[in-house]
Amino acid sequence: SQTIHQWPATLVQPVGSPLSLECTVEGTSNPNLYWYRQAAGRGLQLLFYSVGIGQISSEVPQNLSASRPQDRQFILSSKKLLLSDSGFYLCAWRGILDSSMNTEAFFGQGTRLTVV
Amino acid sequence: QQQVKQSPQSLIVQKGGISIINCAYENTAFDYFPWYQQFPGKGPALLIAIRPDVSEKKEGRFTISFNKSAKQFSLHIMDSQPGDSATYFCAASRNRGSTLGRLYFGRGTQLTVWP
Repeated sequence: SQTIHQWPATLVQPVGSPLSLECTVEGTSNPNLYWYRQAAGRGLQLLFYSVGIGQISSEVPQNLSASRPQDRQFILSSKKLLLSDSGFYLCAWRGILDSSMNTEAFFGQGTRLTVV
Repeated sequence: QQQVKQSPQSLIVQKGGISIINCAYENTAFDYFPWYQQFPGKGPALLIAIRPDVSEKKEGRFTISFNKSAKQFSLHIMDSQPGDSATYFCAASRNRGSTLGRLYFGRGTQLTVWP
């Protein structure tokens, strides 16, 4: 079965420090991978998505970047964190549910980032 | 531009009551409409989904109603329980032939069920 791992679960970082969040997927190959951010009391904002190694699409101009060095690895980074980068970051991958090609997004458990 | 609009933002229901969350979309190319349930500190998980060739889908206490002409769909939770207290997201996607696999999410509804 497919699983998605995301770490760390919580992170407190000072303003101006770098960031690296890692997400890995097991049990599938060539997945579509996504990074979402969820601010407190708000919806899911798509930050980046990737359809393959080295292929990154950015949805919103950010103080963040993403990389996909391996097929099942997706990394979210920042060179210098801002206070506004605080939030709940979720990694997800899109999988096929059934023979009718319905698909589902499977989410990791998330990383709670607090920039202080 | 918000591709999927969700209401209400928050909902308080008594135990045993019916919870109703509504969503509307604009893109008629969407053909897959899932609902996700998220508990605090966890990632969202698929609850139930519907395709536009049916008007209703029921799984246990959860029912999706779909109105293709109005471009609206809703989630009904019958006999709401305190354990249903969570944030619910509707979403929409163009599945068939899609290579990007993007889900467009609503802003979420925080449901609280009082005992």
